Amino acid sequence: LAKTTQPISMDSYEGQEVNITCSHNNIATNDYITWYQQFPSQGPRFIIQGYKTKVTNEVASLFIPADRKSSTLSLPRVSLSDTAVYYCLVGPNKLIFGAGTRLAVHP
Amino acid sequence: EPEVTQTPSHQVTQMGQEVILRCVPISNHLYFYWYRQILGQKVEFLVSFYNNEISEKSEIFDDQFSVERPDGSNFTLKIRSTKLEDSAMYFCASSEPPGALRNTEAFFGQGTRLTVV
Repeated sequence: LAKTTQPISMDSYEGQEVNITCSHNNIATNDYITWYQQFPSQGPRFIIQGYKTKVTNEVASLFIPADRKSSTLSLPRVSLSDTAVYYCLVGPNKLIFGAGTRLAVHP
Repeated sequence: EPEVTQTPSHQVTQMGQEVILRCVPISNHLYFYWYRQILGQKVEFLVSFYNNEISEKSEIFDDQFSVERPDGSNFTLKIRSTKLEDSAMYFCASSEPPGALRNTEAFFGQGTRLTVV
């Protein structure tokens, strides 16, 4: 199972773009990269998933370089409500969470 | 939007007692999971369940724990002889069966906060 490494915490301000990078050096050919968001006292919520290049949805974008050894979750114009823990998961069919990145958005 | 529902939202139990946490997964999902999250810590995988049997379990999921799908809609986690350190938020999740190359999106419930006193 590919091990992931993310920054423990990040700070940002409302309206800024936030990029959270995840390293997964031993990602396997079959592995997809998935990001989840968790608010306090709530279950994790799926944000975005990708295999290579770029994926965009109404919430975020996911950038994956050609070697797939890292990925970057991009949150455009964050608001206070984006304050949460963000998890990067890598694997074919197992949902193992790491420590995640605690994002704090300030006014 | 379909959702995973968990009951109760909060349960207080005495040390040594048995508790059953209940979950109703999304109706067309076939993979079910239990996780726990101790306050301030990461989400820990306990077990996954598919086709009426455990497909994977973590080291945490020892003989104290068991899961069951007693009917077509419920998925339960039983914790026997609870300990103080079992106090945590327990999350149920469900997903469609993962395809050959996909890490399938899982939908999580709101959790049951278990407090062992």
